[in-house]
Amino acid sequence: QQQVKQSPQSLIVQKGGISIINCAYENTAFDYFPWYQQFPGKGPALLIAIRPDVSEKKEGRFTISFNKSAKQFSLHIMDSQPGDSATYFCAASGFGNQFYFGTGTSLTVIP
Amino acid sequence: NAGVTQTPKFQVLKTGQSMTLQCAQDMNHEYMSWYRQDPGMGLRLIHYSVGAGITDQGEVPNGYNVSRSTTEDFPLRLLSAAPSQTSVYFCASSWGLAGTTDTQYFGPGTRLTVL
Repeated sequence: QQQVKQSPQSLIVQKGGISIINCAYENTAFDYFPWYQQFPGKGPALLIAIRPDVSEKKEGRFTISFNKSAKQFSLHIMDSQPGDSATYFCAASGFGNQFYFGTGTSLTVIP
Repeated sequence: NAGVTQTPKFQVLKTGQSMTLQCAQDMNHEYMSWYRQDPGMGLRLIHYSVGAGITDQGEVPNGYNVSRSTTEDFPLRLLSAAPSQTSVYFCASSWGLAGTTDTQYFGPGTRLTVL
């Protein structure tokens, strides 16, 4: 059973556009929600993360929106650039010693 | 600092062969873990360790063994490889437990093919 559901599987955006990736979870024990960015042939790297006590966190062009009541969170990439083309994973943790990852979104930004 | 290093980068095995995937970190992190990444499945935790001499199972531990004799090293052993173990394997480390806000640092991965 997938603990964290991620959509879309793939996304194509024009340069300068907004990329939006969504994740949903069921377990209310989760209290930490990171997003990872992965380039081909590399390991995932932490991009931005949020705790459920805030509804939004912004770092540069990257923003996490968090809806605790709906148990959903999303990543927004503003002014998307070709260098943002990568696979993005959402994740959740909060009990035990495990992270649960979404299935990933392959983002392509067209120049 | 080299961060998290993994060897080999690529490996091809025949069914039934054994091998060890190496992982090392030079950040003095207590927590280390192994994930496998399969298309459409995201990353799934295989085994993890909260310190030298302490290991535990993750989400998909069957077919894999681990040990943690030092803080720096966390090898993953496949005793009898099966085609279902064809995957990309990532090692990760962090200061604290994965359930905290501590950043996990991932290695570059090992791409394993089992024929």
